[in-house]
Amino acid sequence: DQQVKQNSPSLSVQEGRISILNCDYTNSMFDYFLWYKKYPAEGPTFLISISSIKDKNEDGRFTVFLNKSAKHLSLHIVPSQPGDSAVYFCAAILRGDSNYQLIWGAGTKLIIKP
Amino acid sequence: DAGVTQSPTHLIKTRGQQVTLRCSPKSGHDTVSWYQQALGQGPQFIFQYYEEEERQRGNFPDRFSGHQFPNYSSELNVNALLLGDSALYLCASRPGFSIETQYFGPGTRLLVL
Repeated sequence: DQQVKQNSPSLSVQEGRISILNCDYTNSMFDYFLWYKKYPAEGPTFLISISSIKDKNEDGRFTVFLNKSAKHLSLHIVPSQPGDSAVYFCAAILRGDSNYQLIWGAGTKLIIKP
Repeated sequence: DAGVTQSPTHLIKTRGQQVTLRCSPKSGHDTVSWYQQALGQGPQFIFQYYEEEERQRGNFPDRFSGHQFPNYSSELNVNALLLGDSALYLCASRPGFSIETQYFGPGTRLLVL
C-alpha cells in the first residue's frame, strides 16, 4: 500500500522555465513532509521541508506547497537550471511512540533541457 | 569530513547466501538508519540504530538484522538471500532527532543471482 505517491516517473522542462513536481499522500497522520534530490551514484540530499501547519515554504528557487484537504503537495523550481536534473523524492514522516520513520514516494526524474 | 561512507559499492551474491554491508556515519552523527531501494521505487525504511540498539524497524523480515558499534558505525546483515533482495541499500546518519540533518551515503548495490 503506497502511502506516498509520485505519479509522474519523469518530467522534462526547458531551462529557465518552472518545474512542478507533484506528490499525493493517503495517510492523514502525516504531519511533516520533505523533498529530496538524488543524483546518480549519490545518496539523496535534503532539499526543503514543510510542516502541516503551513501551506507554503520557500527557499531560494524552491517552493513547496501543501494542500492538506487534497492530501497533495508540490515542489516548484523556478527558474529551472541544468543542475536541477536529478530524481526528486517526496517523503512523509510517520511518527511512532518515541521515534519516526520516513515514508517515500517512488521519485520523479526531472530533465532540464537547454 | 568524508560524510557517510558505505562499503562495498557493489556486490554480487547467489540465492541462499549471506551478506554484510557496512556504513560509517558522518562525524558527529550518532543515529544510523538503513533503507532498501528497489529499482524504480523510493527507499523503504529497514531499521534505525541509536546507542547500539535497534530503535525502530520497518516491515522487513528477521533475515534482515543489524548492529551498531561504539564508534556509531553500523552493519546490515541479510541472511538466506532471495532474488528480491536485489536493490540499492542506503545508509543514513543524523545527529539525534533532526530529520533535516540526515545525510545519506551513496549506497551499496546488491545483486542476487
